Amino acid sequence: ETGVTQSPTHLIKTRGQQVTLRCSSQSGHNTVSWYQQALGQGPQFIFQYYREEENGRGNFPPRFSGLQFPNYSSELNVNALELDDSALYLCASSLGAGELFFGEGSRLTVL
Amino acid sequence: GNSVTQMEGPVTLSEEAFLTINCTYTATGYPSLFWYVQYPGEGLQLLLKATKADDKGSNKGFEATYRKETTSFHLEKGSVQVSDSAVYFCALSDRNGNNRKLIWGLGTSLAVNP
Repeated sequence: ETGVTQSPTHLIKTRGQQVTLRCSSQSGHNTVSWYQQALGQGPQFIFQYYREEENGRGNFPPRFSGLQFPNYSSELNVNALELDDSALYLCASSLGAGELFFGEGSRLTVL
Repeated sequence: GNSVTQMEGPVTLSEEAFLTINCTYTATGYPSLFWYVQYPGEGLQLLLKATKADDKGSNKGFEATYRKETTSFHLEKGSVQVSDSAVYFCALSDRNGNNRKLIWGLGTSLAVNP
């Protein structure tokens, strides 16, 4: 059974740029959730995708967007990067509303 | 809205000491409660969970009991090891139909010295 994998593991961008983060869900899972974890904080829910549709969204601006593909993998896109977007971005997959399984995260630094 | 409050760290203990990390929550309905652990350089791992009042979750010597009357889910371990050094997060599940999101505490860093 393959776990949740995220890429890239680390990346550096400058303000105003755009970034795409990728997540492969665990085999058999049809739901992907994204979380932002700032340094020293708990994760904050960004949004969730279920069967390729957004199925819940946290308090993040529209420049945070996502996609889920037919194989249930997912992308998180962030436009017009700001310094405060620097964080660890976590992807979690699940079967519907079942237990979440997390990847190791993508650490984004915005300069 | 729903929220989770956990004790601030860092917590520093000697090996074989008793550990308690406090967690209280505010929620409507009957959420599930979780403890996750994040080891250095690794992702979040589910440590234990409880889905209803008076349930006790346990794993790897850690325990937590879902106390509805005190809205608490304190994490305990009788004898910590150096390998338990990590950040511990308390979380509750906010479920709306097929959407499930976790609401997290800020995390408590634990350092265990030999």
